[in-house]
Amino acid sequence: GAVVSQHPSWVICKSGTSVKIECRSLDFQATTMFWYRQFPKQSLMLMATSNEGSKATYEQGVEKDKFLINHASLTLSTLTVTSAHPEDSSFYICSALKTVSGNTIYFGEGSWLTVV
Amino acid sequence: LAKITQPISMDSYEGQEVNITCSHNNIATNDYITWYQQFPSQGPRFIIQGYKTKVTNEVASLFIPADRKSSTLSLPRVSLSDTAVYYCLVGDGPQTGSSNTGKLIFGQGTTLQVKP
Repeated sequence: GAVVSQHPSWVICKSGTSVKIECRSLDFQATTMFWYRQFPKQSLMLMATSNEGSKATYEQGVEKDKFLINHASLTLSTLTVTSAHPEDSSFYICSALKTVSGNTIYFGEGSWLTVV
Repeated sequence: LAKITQPISMDSYEGQEVNITCSHNNIATNDYITWYQQFPSQGPRFIIQGYKTKVTNEVASLFIPADRKSSTLSLPRVSLSDTAVYYCLVGDGPQTGSSNTGKLIFGQGTTLQVKP
């Protein structure tokens, strides 16, 4: 089946720094990807829709200048957490939409971010 | 969006059948019902999807009554490895279909604990 990979799986960064998380569709092209965040023992919260070659669409309450999304190619979307703070520590998950033989969603493995 | 209600948690024992019911009273005509499974620190995994009546695959069955205002995920003979969070989602077309935009809104989920 289709594979979506995230990198890094976990990252620790200092407060005030920026950190980038990558989401790759390994065996299909994805013009649309999605970013979610999940706090411990909570559900996934959709942050934004990443569109290849255009600006991301952010959900209400998500700061676009804080969470920069770039979808520069058909197989890669990146989420950059800028000026990270401890409250940004969370599990970040991406998904990618495969549009061959019908539209199917595939999720990445997730990335743990810890801001110290 | 359909309002979704499912139990916060359930306990079961190995070898038992587990039924998790999801309530979605205001489901729309075009909405599909989809269940995902999530293990700690992993992305969600698609389990099953249906529109009406009964759907069965190699891991689960999904029962949907005629009014479609609820659905029941049935896991036969659970094992310890089935301990996970199970999410009921409503909307957005079939898992594989042209109307699937890929945008998924997750509810609180049901934490299933399988005991030996």
